[in-house]
Amino acid sequence: AQKITQTQPGMFVQEKEAVTLDCTYDTSDQSYGLFWYKQPSSGEMIFLIYQGSYDEQNATEGRYSLNFQKARKSANLVISASQLGDSAMYFCAMRETPGFGNEKLTFGTGTRLTIIP
Amino acid sequence: ETGVTQSPTHLIKTRGQQVTLRCSSQSGHNTVSWYQQALGQGPQFIFQYYREEENGRGNFPPRFSGLQFPNYSSELNVNALELDDSALYLCASSLVNTDTQYFGPGTRLTVL
Repeated sequence: AQKITQTQPGMFVQEKEAVTLDCTYDTSDQSYGLFWYKQPSSGEMIFLIYQGSYDEQNATEGRYSLNFQKARKSANLVISASQLGDSAMYFCAMRETPGFGNEKLTFGTGTRLTIIP
Repeated sequence: ETGVTQSPTHLIKTRGQQVTLRCSSQSGHNTVSWYQQALGQGPQFIFQYYREEENGRGNFPPRFSGLQFPNYSSELNVNALELDDSALYLCASSLVNTDTQYFGPGTRLTVL
């Protein structure tokens, strides 16, 4: 069974500093996808970044980058130059074998990030 | 804005009642998934619909059921509500055989 582990329940980071949110995963699939979502207090899950298991380069989207270490089964999110608006819950998620009709996401328990002015 | 909408925003029901939650997918998306997020936890997969048929289900009892319509909008129905059904219900739409699911704002259900 798939499992996502986020070991940091909460983090406090000074504004403009970089922050790394940890995520480890467990799967027996060879083909899978890893995601990070941001959830503000309003509740909506906002897609941030995606990494496929066969992607050789780490994914980047603006200030977000995903540090993918396949052998260690880790997919940490790095936010550069943090902003006050980055304060939210962050969820790591994994999708089973990408392909037709198999799009279930398994989520971790989340990390609450608070940016301090 | 993802283009995924959900209604209602909030809902209060009593134990034993039935509830219907609605979701309108992002334009062009033909797959919809529903998730339950209890307070302080990550979302849990309920089920997914593609071409109006259930195409995958999580560990939820049959009193959780759904529909997908030809215009790709969707409903989640929950019968015989229990106190533990109190949660944020999220729907997510995607294009089949692609990777990213886009979520709506959620419906917060409270069962008293």
